[in-house]
Amino acid sequence: EIVLTQSPGTLSLSPGERATLSCRASQSVSSSYLAWYQQKPGQAPRLLIYGASSRATGIPDRFSGSGSGTDFTLTISRLEPEDFAVYYCQQYGSSPYSFGQGTKLEIK
Amino acid sequence: QVTLKESGPALVKPTQTLTLTCTFSGFSLSTIGMRVSWIRQPPGKALEWLARIDWDDDKFYSTSLKTRLTISKDTSKNQVVLTMTDMDPVDTATYYCARMSTAMVGFDYWGQGTLVTVSS
Repeated sequence: EIVLTQSPGTLSLSPGERATLSCRASQSVSSSYLAWYQQKPGQAPRLLIYGASSRATGIPDRFSGSGSGTDFTLTISRLEPEDFAVYYCQQYGSSPYSFGQGTKLEIK
Repeated sequence: QVTLKESGPALVKPTQTLTLTCTFSGFSLSTIGMRVSWIRQPPGKALEWLARIDWDDDKFYSTSLKTRLTISKDTSKNQVVLTMTDMDPVDTATYYCARMSTAMVGFDYWGQGTLVTVSS
């Protein structure tokens, strides 16, 4: 079973700044089947990135994903006010699937 | 247009069995490669993947919960059902169903979620 560890737990930044979120897996993620989701209060998660680096439909290009094996990164190049939310990574390369514990991106 | 919607009781008592139904439209679970999962989220906490059922009726479960979970599908009704036995207050959470398509692009569509509270 793959355990995903996200860091930091909370990230305090200002609009316009760059955000870098990390996700580390306890073992290699098969075929880079790693996804990132954004969740706002009271809403279901929204898919941002799949396959470690591909943007989902309709996702702005300020969101980018990178990494392979056990280390993955979500980068938001210039934060917009609507980007402040909780972000989760998830691996779907092997069952059982698993999520990280989340990174809360808050306004500084 | 793909949609998923969860339904079930809002309140269950400890030790009872929870039955949740995910009713979907816009895709077929008989399409090769299609999968539907259940995910839950306790209030203020992280997402937890629970179970998955595939187009070919393969089933997979969370390691920690597999003795309590059963997932099934009714392809003709476009429904996936999750049962969880021996409910406890720690199982209080919003329960989501979500689709993963043949393209393996992650969970691209989610239901709105249904809050289940476990209390006597």
